[in-house]
Amino acid sequence: EPEVTQTPSHQVTQMGQEVILRCVPISNHLYFYWYRQILGQKVEFLVSFYNNEISEKSEIFDDQFSVERPDGSNFTLKIRSTKLEDSAMYFCASKQRTGGEEQYFGPGTRLTVT
Amino acid sequence: KQEVTQIPAALSVPEGENLVLNCSFTDSAIYNLQWFRQDPGKGLTSLLLIQSSQREQTSGRLNASLDKSSGRSTLYIAASQPGDSATYLCALKDNTDKLIFGTGTRLQVFP
Repeated sequence: EPEVTQTPSHQVTQMGQEVILRCVPISNHLYFYWYRQILGQKVEFLVSFYNNEISEKSEIFDDQFSVERPDGSNFTLKIRSTKLEDSAMYFCASKQRTGGEEQYFGPGTRLTVT
Repeated sequence: KQEVTQIPAALSVPEGENLVLNCSFTDSAIYNLQWFRQDPGKGLTSLLLIQSSQREQTSGRLNASLDKSSGRSTLYIAASQPGDSATYLCALKDNTDKLIFGTGTRLQVFP
């Protein structure tokens, strides 16, 4: 069964460093998302992406964050200068088409900023 | 602003019990509602998706219901097993494209 994959599973970085989290959505999906979950807290929406542009973003998704679909398969989240409070589990999700379709989530990348 | 709450926050039951997890939301203008399972330190596994026009969905021992007018959804788990131990999250989609997640219910089923 097709699934969303994410790499790496765990990333440790120093404060101020740039990180890129990678996702490979399900191949025929057109809508892509990033969510994050700080330990012990709710899963929070960061950004949605369709047709090579951001369709919606949350207040969390400030100028330090960016997303890209550099080729036909990868979808990346970049954090330019990481802060301690960026430590969280980051989930990628994808959906086939617009409307009430199910979002499929990847296994997550645990980001630890020291 | 839509708020999603899950009660109880934690639940511990003996194997074989039937149980109900609750999800409440403040704005009934939702598009659909999805129930997920999350194992510790792991990703989100989708269990059931209910469209706003539906009243319930079933998958195996799981049954989810939706009552938009009262702002509630329930996940019913029949004949619980230790392997059902996990955190269960509800998430709803409103007229935007994002999912709004609940606080989660941590379930432990002991033998």
